[in-house]
Amino acid sequence: DAGVTQSPTHLIKTRGQQVTLRCSPKSGHDTVSWYQQALGQGPQFIFQYYEEEERQRGNFPDRFSGHQFPNYSSELNVNALLLGDSALYLCASSAGLVDYEQYFGPGTRLTVT
Amino acid sequence: DQQVKQNSPSLSVQEGRISILNCDYTNSMFDYFLWYKKYPAEGPTFLISISSIKDKNEDGRFTVFLNKSAKHLSLHIVPSQPGDSAVYFCAASASDSWGKLQFGAGTQVVVTP
Repeated sequence: DAGVTQSPTHLIKTRGQQVTLRCSPKSGHDTVSWYQQALGQGPQFIFQYYEEEERQRGNFPDRFSGHQFPNYSSELNVNALLLGDSALYLCASSAGLVDYEQYFGPGTRLTVT
Repeated sequence: DQQVKQNSPSLSVQEGRISILNCDYTNSMFDYFLWYKKYPAEGPTFLISISSIKDKNEDGRFTVFLNKSAKHLSLHIVPSQPGDSAVYFCAASASDSWGKLQFGAGTQVVVTP
């Protein structure tokens, strides 16, 4: 039973560039949430996707956008990268909107130089 | 606006003894609380949870206590084992924003022989 997978593992980008991160949810899960974890901090909620629509959003600018595909996988896009976007980006999946228990992937480490 | 706080960044405990991790929250709308454990280079792993209608939940060596009047919860690990060395995150969710987990900054636990 495959858990949550994310790609790539690491990524280095230059300030001003755009990046796309990918996530495949755990088998049987249809809801995907994205979190940003800066060094020394807990994960911060970015947004959640269910039925290919953004259902909830945290306090992140419009430079952060996402997409969910019919197979429930998801992408996180960040435009006009800033140095402060350097962080670990975590994807989590759950079974439906009302399932509190989320399963996390290993994350993508993004470094912006 | 940090609504979930873990004020102890680190905790060192001897193998076999009890580990007690604390978490405070400010949002009275939170009604579900979770603890996650994170090893380096891995995503957070769900450990145990508690609904606001309960004051205690137990799962093997792990027990979570909730004091709603004090807006405080704690995780007890008994007995502590070397494999418990990890970062522990407290998270909370409100029923009007299911799936939006708000995390504390984490507590690094080191279990020494």
